[in-house]
Amino acid sequence: ETGVTQSPTHLIKTRGQQVTLRCSSQSGHNTVSWYQQALGQGPQFIFQYYREEENGRGNFPPRFSGLQFPNYSSELNVNALELDDSALYLCASSLDGTPLHFGNGTRLTVT
Amino acid sequence: QKEVEQNSGPLSVPEGAIASLNCTYSDRGSQSFFWYRQYSGKSPELIMSIYSNGDKEDGRFTAQLNKASQYVSLLIRDSQPSDSATYLCAVTSYDKVIFGPGTSLSVIP
Repeated sequence: ETGVTQSPTHLIKTRGQQVTLRCSSQSGHNTVSWYQQALGQGPQFIFQYYREEENGRGNFPPRFSGLQFPNYSSELNVNALELDDSALYLCASSLDGTPLHFGNGTRLTVT
Repeated sequence: QKEVEQNSGPLSVPEGAIASLNCTYSDRGSQSFFWYRQYSGKSPELIMSIYSNGDKEDGRFTAQLNKASQYVSLLIRDSQPSDSATYLCAVTSYDKVIFGPGTSLSVIP
């Protein structure tokens, strides 16, 4: 059974740039959720995709967008990066929503 | 009011003692409850899930749920230094999973 994989592991971007993070869900899972975790805080829900449709969104601006593909892999796109976007971005997959199984995360640094 | 609240800690217990971690949540409609462990620099790892009132035991871990009080707890018996981590409480709310801020646990040898 293949677990959740995320790429890249680390990323450094400049303020104002755009970034795309990728996630391959665990085999058999149909739901992908994305979280942002700042240092010392709990994961904050960004959005969730179920069978290629967004079916839940947290309190994040529209410059955070995503996609889920027919093979249930997913992308998180962030436009116009800000310094506060520096965080660990976590992708989690599940069958129908819970429980969540996390990938290793992408550490994004915005300078 | 925050949706999921936890004591931030740090919580320090001696090796072999019982560690008690607490969590409260605001959505009375929540149906599923989870405890995740997160080591520094790593991603969260599911250790317990609980769906009905009462206790659920798995090895050294016991999760307790009281929906009337909107309260979830995690007990770790015979705490080991390897249990030192941040413990995240997570609750389903409107078809999404919401996390608390986490409680840092340190087990002292």
